[in-house]
Amino acid sequence: EAGVVQSPRYKIIEKKQPVAFWCNPISGHNTLYWYLQNLGQGPELLIRYENEEAVDDSQLPKDRFSAERLKGVDSTLKIQPAELGDSAVYLCASSPSGDGEQFFGPGTRLTVL
Amino acid sequence: GENVEQHPSTLSVQEGDSAVIKCTYSDSASNYFPWYKQELGKRPQLIIDIRSNVGEKKDQRIAVTLNKTAKHFSLHITETQPEDSAVYFCAATSSRGSYIPTFGRGTSLIVHP
Repeated sequence: EAGVVQSPRYKIIEKKQPVAFWCNPISGHNTLYWYLQNLGQGPELLIRYENEEAVDDSQLPKDRFSAERLKGVDSTLKIQPAELGDSAVYLCASSPSGDGEQFFGPGTRLTVL
Repeated sequence: GENVEQHPSTLSVQEGDSAVIKCTYSDSASNYFPWYKQELGKRPQLIIDIRSNVGEKKDQRIAVTLNKTAKHFSLHITETQPEDSAVYFCAATSSRGSYIPTFGRGTSLIVHP
């Protein structure tokens, strides 16, 4: 069984540029999470989806971040415009249900110059 | 919202010793407590979890204990090996609302051969 897939693995951009990350969850997993992980910190939830519905996006900086999960499968997280402080690893995770084990993707390491 | 505190931030042990990592949580409605291991540059992976209806769970050299009254749970690793070296994250998921997981800041475990 394939795990959670994320792309790109690494992205370097200049500040004020847009950037997008893509996530393909494990087949059949209805719950999808986007996390931000700074160096030496635990993952911080940005948004959680149940199928195509965003059930919690209270931590998502909506002035510059947006996300979508069309058809309840793949998801895209976008930042526009990126700021220096957005440099971090962006992790996607999926789960069969909202209250159990999460399966993480390899993450996208974003560097904003 | 939920607040998870994790200690220590760094733990150094000799091979064969035991290691204990402790977490406290604030939301009495939290009912799912996973532990994730993250090796350098890799994705977090679940190593053990416990639900609030159980006080202790063991899987070979790894065990987790939960004290609901005191709102704390601990990870115990016995007979540590160099390959146990990694960052360990605890998390608490509240059943209040939409099952949002909150992660601790992580413990860097170093096992010296």
